[in-house]
Amino acid sequence: QTVVTQEPSLTVSPGGTVTLTCASSTGPVTSGYYPNWFQQKTGQAPRSLIYSTNKKHSWTPARFSGSLLGDKAVLTLSGVQPEDEAEYYCLLFYGAAWVFGGGTKLTVL
Amino acid sequence: QVQLVESGGGVVQPGRSLRLSCAASGFTFSNFGIQWVRQAPGKGLEWVAVISYDGINKYYADSVNGRFTISRDNSKNTLYLQMNSLTAEDTAVYYCAKKVVPTTMVYGMDVWGRGTTVTVSS
Repeated sequence: QTVVTQEPSLTVSPGGTVTLTCASSTGPVTSGYYPNWFQQKTGQAPRSLIYSTNKKHSWTPARFSGSLLGDKAVLTLSGVQPEDEAEYYCLLFYGAAWVFGGGTKLTVL
Repeated sequence: QVQLVESGGGVVQPGRSLRLSCAASGFTFSNFGIQWVRQAPGKGLEWVAVISYDGINKYYADSVNGRFTISRDNSKNTLYLQMNSLTAEDTAVYYCAKKVVPTTMVYGMDVWGRGTTVTVSS
């Protein structure tokens, strides 16, 4: 069974920078996994932020960026705002299936 | 604007069936694959199924394979999820989400619906 692993929780100060990672139990995450990142605030539907590693949607704030670092997919938030406090999920493509990570709860404090 | 609206959720007894719908508007529905994603109470997101733009290719998570069937009616701009042999573990909010790039099964999703709640309980 494929497992996608994210940090359970992270804390960042307003204005700071934080990096969220996404690892695969099958080995290094590459662009062929088409990493996606989603933000979900309490009581709301998920919102797409990043697709295909580093591509942004029209609504994605400039402070969010996606990349590959080492053997993981990475979501970087630069200049964190209080409204960025949320759960963040990554999603990886495995040919005939997609698998979500367990999510990272980001606290802005 | 691009919109997805799920419906059909409710309370159902274990072992019974339910069909969810996802009505699309604001884009050319027949050009895009669509995914179902669910979220159990207090838990993370779980990918459920995906269907290609033309309805030919369908893939399922192991947890629902053989019990759930994804389908679409492009003439009605509507996606469906037929759920059979339901168990308590299927209790969740079910979301539909549109693929970002037309005619492809990769790349991921962009627009999500608000979800419909399914509760499996006796």
